[in-house]
Amino acid sequence: QKEVEQDPGPLSVPEGAIVSLNCTYSNSAFQYFMWYRQYSRKGPELLMYTYSSGNKEDGRFTAQVDKSSKYISLFIRDSQPSDSATYLCAMSDDKIIFGKGTRLHILP
Amino acid sequence: EAQVTQNPRYLITVTGKKLTVTCSQNMNHEYMSWYRQDPGLGLRQIYYSMNVEVTDKGDVPEGYKVSRKEKRNFPLILESPSPNQTSLYFCASSFLMNTEAFFGQGTRLTVV
Repeated sequence: QKEVEQDPGPLSVPEGAIVSLNCTYSNSAFQYFMWYRQYSRKGPELLMYTYSSGNKEDGRFTAQVDKSSKYISLFIRDSQPSDSATYLCAMSDDKIIFGKGTRLHILP
Repeated sequence: EAQVTQNPRYLITVTGKKLTVTCSQNMNHEYMSWYRQDPGLGLRQIYYSMNVEVTDKGDVPEGYKVSRKEKRNFPLILESPSPNQTSLYFCASSFLMNTEAFFGQGTRLTVV
């Protein structure tokens, strides 16, 4: 079983919809959970960073961690065409492990 | 502005011709690493460095070298590039090994 699983997509949703992106993991030692956004031909940039189970909100973005289910989610409200990118989950205990990313297309 | 700077952004080279990709960070981070990103394979770590003069292999180190003579710089060296090293390369830095990483803009390398 891979340490971090992430559906590669692509995921296409209409503008204004709520987007849900998810990752599952197998290592219960992971303590830090992150979401990165990567635009085409750019480096990944950190979007959200959480330490514990629960929700963390930042503007239109909400990160959710469920350690008991080993499942993390990123919700994007009122999605915009500018949100079209690849989203990578990442988690760490003594080092960071990245998911392979989900390609998201927001259709105008 | 806090940033990780890689150069060059694009590079086309021939098999066997030694090349160096530079990486510099201005955040005084201890930890730096190199990744390659390939379609369907995601980010794979090549080498990392915990501090000056301390480097170690990541998941895919074959064919690569690194050095860390100064805290801010972490160059990636390909002594004899081969076509299977054609990829998108990212340098990253972070305060600690397991905290949020800051990435450079990437270097797209093509080896013919």
